[in-house]
Amino acid sequence: AQTVTQSQPEMSVQEAETVTLSCTYDTSESDYYLFWYKQPPSRQMILVIRQEAYKQQNATENRFSVNFQKAAKSFSLKISDSQLGDAAMYFCAYRSAYAGGTSYGKLTFGQGTILTVHP
Amino acid sequence: NAGVTQTPKFQVLKTGQSMTLQCAQDMNHNSMYWYRQDPGMGLRLIYYSASEGTTDKGEVPNGYNVSRLNKREFSLRLESAAPSQTSVYFCASSGPGLRRAEAFFGQGTRLTVV
Repeated sequence: AQTVTQSQPEMSVQEAETVTLSCTYDTSESDYYLFWYKQPPSRQMILVIRQEAYKQQNATENRFSVNFQKAAKSFSLKISDSQLGDAAMYFCAYRSAYAGGTSYGKLTFGQGTILTVHP
Repeated sequence: NAGVTQTPKFQVLKTGQSMTLQCAQDMNHNSMYWYRQDPGMGLRLIYYSASEGTTDKGEVPNGYNVSRLNKREFSLRLESAAPSQTSVYFCASSGPGLRRAEAFFGQGTRLTVV
C-alpha cells in the first residue's frame, strides 16, 4: 500500500516571499501521479498542480512549482510571491497510474500542512 | 456546469440515528468516491465505485454503506451514527482516461454526531 507523509503540520510565510511545503511518499509502483490540493476555509478541494511520474520535468503552474525527486520519493511544493489568498491547508496526494487492479483512481493523502500568510 | 454536488452541507445527528449523504456529478464520470477528513489524518477513502453497478471498500468502511444509484449518483449511508463518525465527508469523481483524469470534489458535509 502507498503512503504519503507531510511532516510540516504548519508553515508560515510573509506576503511576497517564497515558501516550500514538503511531501514524501512510499510506493513500489513506477508509474503514478502526484498532486497538491489546496483547501481554503470554504472546505473546497482545489487542485493546485499535478506531476506525472514518467515526466522528468518538474510541473509549474504560474507561482506554483514542484521539485519532484523520484528516486528519493520526494515531492515538494514551492509557492513564489506568496499572496494572502494562498493561506489554506495544503494536501499532497498520490494516485496510481494503473487502470487495472484495485487502483481505479483512488487518492492517498498526506496529513496536510496549514499555510499562514502574514501581510 | 455544477460538477460534483453534495447534500447536505451540515448535519447534526444523535448517536444511533441514521442518515444518507447524497452526491451527484454531471461530468459523465465513471468513478466516484467517498472520503472522510479528520484533523491530522488527511482524507481517507471510505468506499468507491469504479463504475455504475460496482462498489468496493476503501480504507475505513466500517459503519458505512453506499449505493451507486446510476452513473450520476453515489450515496453514503450511516445506519447507526456514532460519535467516531463526526467528520467532514467529501464525495469525488474522476473521468475516463486515467492518464489524464483528475479528481473533482464536492463542497463537503460537516457531520457532528452527539
